[in-house]
Amino acid sequence: LAKTTQPISMDSYEGQEVNITCSHNNIATNDYITWYQQFPSQGPRFIIQGYKTKVTNEVASLFIPADRKSSTLSLPRVSLSDTAVYYCLVAPKGGSTLGRLYFGRGTQLTVWP
Amino acid sequence: DAGVIQSPRHEVTEMGQEVTLRCKPISGHNSLFWYRQTMMRGLELLIYFNNNVPIDDSGMPEDRFSAKMPNASFSTLKIQPSEPRDSAVYFCASTPSLSTDTQYFGPGTRLTVL
Repeated sequence: LAKTTQPISMDSYEGQEVNITCSHNNIATNDYITWYQQFPSQGPRFIIQGYKTKVTNEVASLFIPADRKSSTLSLPRVSLSDTAVYYCLVAPKGGSTLGRLYFGRGTQLTVWP
Repeated sequence: DAGVIQSPRHEVTEMGQEVTLRCKPISGHNSLFWYRQTMMRGLELLIYFNNNVPIDDSGMPEDRFSAKMPNASFSTLKIQPSEPRDSAVYFCASTPSLSTDTQYFGPGTRLTVL
């Protein structure tokens, strides 16, 4: 499974846009890119998934360049409640490899007032 | 709908004692995962089940750890004997099937072994 590299931590202020970039140089053709969010004292929760180009939902946008060797999670106008750890995962969609998802240490985003 | 339920939420025990963590997956979900989270190693998969059958336990650190899923609505993770290095937050997650991507995590059990 392709491993990922993302910054250990990021800081932002309320109202700003935050972009978290994840590198996955060994991504395979059938791999999807998925992001999870984890608040303190809670388990991770799914926020967005994509394969190529751009995906947007009510929480975030995911930008994936043509070579798919990296991806960027974009959080528009963050608030204090967006302070969390964000995990970038790369794995085939479903299938028996699902159990081998590599969460790593994620990116600790801290939003300041 | 109730999410994944874990108990206890906090457990403090002494080295050498047996510890049992419990998980109730979301009703209808056929796959269940046990993870361990520490500051040093992040979130690590320990074992996962599909239709109550263990599929991959290669993440289980050693023989002191064991997991069971006697039925579709209950799973346990047991540590015997426990050691201070087992201190971590243990998460259980479930998903409708292995062909579904999204894992739904429980609130976790914070284990402290003194």
